[in-house]
Amino acid sequence: DAGVTQSPTHLIKTRGQHVTLRCSPISGHKSVSWYQQVLGQGPQFIFQYYEKEERGRGNFPDRFSARQFPNYSSELNVNALLLGDSALYLCASSLEWAGELFFGEGSRLTVL
Amino acid sequence: KQEVTQIPAALSVPEGENLVLNCSFTDSAIYNLQWFRQDPGKGLTSLLLIQSSQREQTSGRLNASLDKSSGRSTLYIAASQPGDSATYLCAVLLSDFGNEKLTFGTGTRLTIIP
Repeated sequence: DAGVTQSPTHLIKTRGQHVTLRCSPISGHKSVSWYQQVLGQGPQFIFQYYEKEERGRGNFPDRFSARQFPNYSSELNVNALLLGDSALYLCASSLEWAGELFFGEGSRLTVL
Repeated sequence: KQEVTQIPAALSVPEGENLVLNCSFTDSAIYNLQWFRQDPGKGLTSLLLIQSSQREQTSGRLNASLDKSSGRSTLYIAASQPGDSATYLCAVLLSDFGNEKLTFGTGTRLTIIP
């Protein structure tokens, strides 16, 4: 069975641009969550979606938004990119909202 | 605000030794605690999940314990191997009905010396 898949794996953007990151959960998993990991630090929670409803939100500005589709895949959108948004963006899925998390390999975003 | 601390930040031990990694959290109202490993530039691999009602979980050479009252968890690795070299992260899911948040520690970078 396929694990959590994320796309793109790497991307480079300039300040002020917009980015969309995509995540496909493990088949049967209903929850998807997003994290930002800056080099040398632990991941920071951004959003969790369960059954297409937002379940949790971390301390990120409104420039960050997400949604979950009927097939349980998810998108993370970041508007008006700043240099500080450069990070590894990780997606995780779980069967239920408080279940064991399984992570994808991440999307590495560089903002110039 | 939940804070999660992992000590030490880095650890080097000879192959074959048993070792313990520590994770402390400030808010005991948790749903569960999960341990992960992360290889450089990669995603996270789940190692063990402990529910708030459990005291410990075991998988192979790994054993994780949870003491909610003291806000502590330990990950015990038996008979360490070079392949165990990675960063180990603990993460706590805080109970906050309708707005649950997962908080990660900053990790322990483990190096096993052959």
